[in-house]
Parts: sequence; structure tokens; C-alpha cells
Amino acid sequence: QKEVEQNSGPLSVPEGAIASLNCTYSDRGSQSFFWYRQYSGKSPELIMSIYSNGDKEDGRFTAQLNKASQYVSLLIRDSQPSDSATYLCAVNPSRHWASYDKVIFGPGTSLSVIP
Amino acid sequence: GAVVSQHPSWVICKSGTSVKIECRSLDFQATTMFWYRQFPKQSLMLMATSNEGSKATYEQGVEKDKFLINHASLTLSTLTVTSAHPEDSSFYICSATENTEAFFGQGTRLTVV
Repeated sequence: QKEVEQNSGPLSVPEGAIASLNCTYSDRGSQSFFWYRQYSGKSPELIMSIYSNGDKEDGRFTAQLNKASQYVSLLIRDSQPSDSATYLCAVNPSRHWASYDKVIFGPGTSLSVIP
Repeated sequence: GAVVSQHPSWVICKSGTSVKIECRSLDFQATTMFWYRQFPKQSLMLMATSNEGSKATYEQGVEKDKFLINHASLTLSTLTVTSAHPEDSSFYICSATENTEAFFGQGTRLTVV
């Protein structure tokens, strides 16, 4: 079983719609969760980090975490063509949120926002 | 966020030669840095963890003698691809952590011909 799983996509949404990206992880003790955006040929860029169950909002982005279900999601409201990229879910399996060991990345979901 | 600078951004080398890639944390100190490799349309694969002042920790399947890592200071880690071959052509990315969040260098596109 892969440690971090995501739908590879591609996920296509019309401009202005909500894009929903999902991620599941296998290590139940994981404490830190991240969403990165990666444009083609570029390195990943951190969008959101979340550590507690519930929702965390930042502008058009909302991260949702459910540790009981081992599930993390990212919602992008009012999607724009510039949001078209690969979105990587990442999990830090460290038992303590302030302790960084190594981040495990999912395979990424390709998002395409259609004008 | 914190800034991680990686150099060069791209390099072409002949088969059998060695290439060195630098990763610097510009505005913070990083006792640990990470090196990833990414093939086209694939996810990031962790190669090794670079530890300041000590030996790097390599992931399973990564040849330590081929991918030499040196972390001589709190702001610099280097990855040297020795005796490079075409199959080593890939996108190499380093990262460092500040306040639990990982920040990435710009990446290095290595092409071995």
C-alpha cells in the first residue's frame, strides 16, 4: 500500500468553479500535512499546511483534514486558468508536529482549469 | 516564506563525467536538507537526507557512491552525480525546512548525453 495516495487526474473544471483535490495517507500517527503546487518544469511551491482536524482557509484555498479517516483535501474556489498545475499532497509521518523528519509525497493530481 | 536557492538550474554533461549541484538556504539555517529526483510525469522521489556535519542518509535503492552528498555548513548542501549516464537525466530538487514547513530550491534539470 502506498503511503500517500491521490487521484492522478487529470481533473478538469471550468473557470470559476470549485476544484476539489483529495488525498489519503496510511500512517495513522502522522501529524503534519501539506499541499504543494507544481507547474510543469518547476519545483513545488507550498500552498497550505494543516495540522489539526477541520478546515483551514487561506484566500481561495481551503484545506480539510480528517485524521480519523486519514484524509486530506484541498478546495480551490473560483478556479482560474493560472491554477492549472499538479497538486502534491505531502505528509510528515513524524509523531510530533514540530519535528521534521522527511515528507512523503503523493503522486500528484493534475488540475486543468478551462477558460 | 524561506528561500532555498539551487544552482545550476540546468546542466548538460557528457556521459562519464561528474556534475555538482548546490543547494543553499539563504535566510535561515538548515541542519537537514533533502534531495529529490523527479522523472517526467512522475512524483518526487526522496533520494537522501543531508545532515550537516555528518553522513547523509540514503533511501533504499539509491547508490551512495554515485550520488555524493556533502553538507559542510548550515546553509549549504551539495549533490554530486558521479560518472553520470543518460539514465541519470532527471530533475533534481533540494528542500530545507523552516518552522516545520519545507521549501524547495528551483530544481536542476540534468541532461546526460
